[in-house]
Amino acid sequence: AQSVSQHNHHVILSEAASLELGCNYSYGGTVNLFWYVQYPGQHLQLLLKYFSGDPLVKGIKGFEAEFIKSKFSFNLRKPSVQWSDTAEYFCAVILYNQGGKLIFGQGTELSVKP
Amino acid sequence: DAGITQSPRHKVTETGTPVTLRCHQTENHRYMYWYRQDPGHGLRLIHYSYGVKDTDKGEVSDGYSVSRSKTEDFLLTLESATSSQTSVYFCAISDRQGSYNSPLHFGNGTRLTVT
Repeated sequence: AQSVSQHNHHVILSEAASLELGCNYSYGGTVNLFWYVQYPGQHLQLLLKYFSGDPLVKGIKGFEAEFIKSKFSFNLRKPSVQWSDTAEYFCAVILYNQGGKLIFGQGTELSVKP
Repeated sequence: DAGITQSPRHKVTETGTPVTLRCHQTENHRYMYWYRQDPGHGLRLIHYSYGVKDTDKGEVSDGYSVSRSKTEDFLLTLESATSSQTSVYFCAISDRQGSYNSPLHFGNGTRLTVT
């Protein structure tokens, strides 16, 4: 079965530290990939997406992600985190041949210390 | 924000009772989804719809049914609620150009407690 794995369940960083959150998916076909963020008490918001072209995509708030097809990975990065980045982050993949089915990873909770 | 309304926002119900959650959109989007969010599990897809009367199962569809009789409404029904269905339920929509290249827009969620 297709799946999306996020390796880190909870990450704690100090402000200005660099961030990298891992995401791997298990699906051999063409995919679109997404990162969503959920701030406390809010619904999910799109951070960035990849569907074709340059494998390095830039999103909002200084986030970026790199699609490495050979590794089935789509890791999220930010050079310098802020306290306001404290949130839960979800990686997701859409499966082309299954009617737009979107599968999410388990989520990574990020806590940034001021 | 996209026009998505979930109702009710909160509900407490007893084991064995039927429950229906409603997702209403004003965007005329083709695709609609129901997810549940539980700690440690992320968002898991329950059912989704790719058009009026066109629905399919997601990862955790057991115990749930859906209906989509018109574009704007997608109903999720728990025929006989169980405590394991206590969760936060999110509806999402995607536009008619195809969800492949379009992000999902999420509703604000329904917090369901089954006692």
